[in-house]
Amino acid sequence: QLQLQESGPGLVKPSETLSLTCTVSGGSVSSSSYYWGWIRQPPGKGLEWIGHIYYTGSSYYNPSLKSRVTVSVDTSKNQFSLKLSSVTAADTAVYYCARRPTYSGFDFWGQGALVTVSP
Amino acid sequence: DIQMTQSPSTLSASVGNRVTITCRASQSVSNWLAWYQQKPGKAPKLLIYKASSLESGVPSRFSGSGSGTEFTLTISSLQPDDFATYYCQHYNSYPYTFGQGTKLEIK
Repeated sequence: QLQLQESGPGLVKPSETLSLTCTVSGGSVSSSSYYWGWIRQPPGKGLEWIGHIYYTGSSYYNPSLKSRVTVSVDTSKNQFSLKLSSVTAADTAVYYCARRPTYSGFDFWGQGALVTVSP
Repeated sequence: DIQMTQSPSTLSASVGNRVTITCRASQSVSNWLAWYQQKPGKAPKLLIYKASSLESGVPSRFSGSGSGTEFTLTISSLQPDDFATYYCQHYNSYPYTFGQGTKLEIK
């Protein structure tokens, strides 16, 4: 059974860089059938797509975050990662990693990682 | 960006009721639309993809329809486990966007 697990610091200071890693088990990030993405949800609010990456390394980002976001993939570790620079309190959210088949919505999600931006 | 608008924002219903949630896109997304269910403290769960295709393992009381700019999610007979928040999401073009959510409450 596919599983995704987010890991990374739960507290980040303003102006610093948020870094999260998603470890994939029971499947491969090298599959040509899927995109691997990040979605976030501020406390009590809705969902926002951040971006995703294909196994080739091609990445796509939300323009609202594009200048601050990098998503990368490490096929040797079966992981993909998110970096969000120059964070502010508005970036406080639960960050989810998820898989998207090329024909579908996001079908497998991690449990989510709460990241708080605070001094 | 394509804006996704769900209605209603909150829906009160009873076990056994048939309920429908609507999602409207600000421009056509063809049939590249998904529906999710989210419970408090949990990740969203995919219910429907390509507007009307039922995700594996999802009960058949859930169904989706529509294309272009107007879509619906229908639950034919509400069960206690169905009380949650529901989101639509398009994946027609970048950036993908979600509706604001519909909270389904027990009446």
